[in-house]
Amino acid sequence: AQKITQTQPGMFVQEKEAVTLDCTYDTSDQSYGLFWYKQPSSGEMIFLIYQGSYDEQNATEGRYSLNFQKARKSANLVISASQLGDSAMYFCAMREGDTGRRALTFGSGTRLQVQP
Amino acid sequence: DARVTQTPRHKVTEMGQEVTMRCQPILGHNTVFWYRQTMMQGLELLAYFRNRAPLDDSGMPKDRFSAEMPDATLATLKIQPSEPRDSAVYFCASGLVLGQSPYEQYFGPGTRLTVT
Repeated sequence: AQKITQTQPGMFVQEKEAVTLDCTYDTSDQSYGLFWYKQPSSGEMIFLIYQGSYDEQNATEGRYSLNFQKARKSANLVISASQLGDSAMYFCAMREGDTGRRALTFGSGTRLQVQP
Repeated sequence: DARVTQTPRHKVTEMGQEVTMRCQPILGHNTVFWYRQTMMQGLELLAYFRNRAPLDDSGMPKDRFSAEMPDATLATLKIQPSEPRDSAVYFCASGLVLGQSPYEQYFGPGTRLTVT
């Protein structure tokens, strides 16, 4: 089974509108972390936001927020007030804690295009 | 502004040649990861080190790939002999892992390898 599933290969959004990028995950660990990374066309991986499995509040970082629904095993990224510079690939990733595995498992990504 | 650095940024080589990729993690970070990104497989973990000791290299083809950390400021990934299917972007990432506390992984800019 896929550990991280991103079902939207591509998304379009109008500038200044909000957009939600979906991510579901699968783990039997009680302790885990969920991450979102942005990869622009230049290729670097940019960390956006982190949510711990025990965090009760949804994580927020500026225009980014993570809609964490633990029972549904989903960790959707919400970008408010989209900007042209938000056009990029977005990856959801998970680090499983109890297994001791410290590396990240990535989803297949969603390509977001912001239109003027 | 601390960053992970990787050299070379681009490498084109012929099949059968040895390739060495280098990574300088962020000073003070105790964990280093090597990931590979291809269109077909996405982002996948090759190996990672904690305090310079290899913890997991199960994602790495052992017959041709090797990863080392000769010291805390240098991680290397070698492919010998290289094959066309090794063409990919290789990312190094580092992080400071303290117990079960959350942490970020900071990615380098990647090495784009093309094997002809």
